[in-house]
Amino acid sequence: AQSVTQPDIHITVSEGASLELRCNYSYGATPYLFWYVQSPGQGLQLLLKYFSGDTLVQGIKGFEAEFKRSQSSFNLRKPSVHWSDAAEYFCAVGLNNAGNMLTFGGGTRLMVKP
Amino acid sequence: GAVVSQHPSRVICKSGTSVKIECRSLDFQATTMFWYRQFPKQSLMLMATSNEGSKATYEQGVEKDKFLINHASLTLSTLTVTSAHPEDSSFYICSARLGNLGRRGSPLHFGNGTRLTVT
Repeated sequence: AQSVTQPDIHITVSEGASLELRCNYSYGATPYLFWYVQSPGQGLQLLLKYFSGDTLVQGIKGFEAEFKRSQSSFNLRKPSVHWSDAAEYFCAVGLNNAGNMLTFGGGTRLMVKP
Repeated sequence: GAVVSQHPSRVICKSGTSVKIECRSLDFQATTMFWYRQFPKQSLMLMATSNEGSKATYEQGVEKDKFLINHASLTLSTLTVTSAHPEDSSFYICSARLGNLGRRGSPLHFGNGTRLTVT
């Protein structure tokens, strides 16, 4: 069965600093990988996704993620964090055979210091 | 773009009553919708997969008689929490996929969630 691990439950960064959120997955086939962001009390918003091709994918709000098959990782990055980026971030892997269901990681809560 | 509308956004009910949550795909047809539950400070847990015109598929440990799911049309799925108890208080989110199941890798579109508080 597939699984997703986000090792960091909480991360605090200063505004303007760079950010990297870690995501490791376990899946037997080619993964479909996603990053979502959830603001307090709201639903999820898709930041970016990886299916195939270029392993560095660009998303919305200045985020990017790099797929590294050898490390089974799909880490999310942003060069300069803004206070509005404070939220909870979820990494997810989609099933290969149907692509219609996701397994989520536990989430990483990002706090931004002024 | 594709939008999923979830209603209500917040609901407070008394213990023992039932609450219905609606999930609508506003500008696309969704043969499959998904219901998730999020406990405080925890990740989303898939509760069930709602299939239009057929019975929902529940995840292990989810009581199907307590969490009734109806997917009567291609744009509407409902989750009814029956005989609610305080431990059912949670954040419930639905999602739907644009297109059919054959479209691999399409991301899900999520509703904004419903905060249920049972007193």
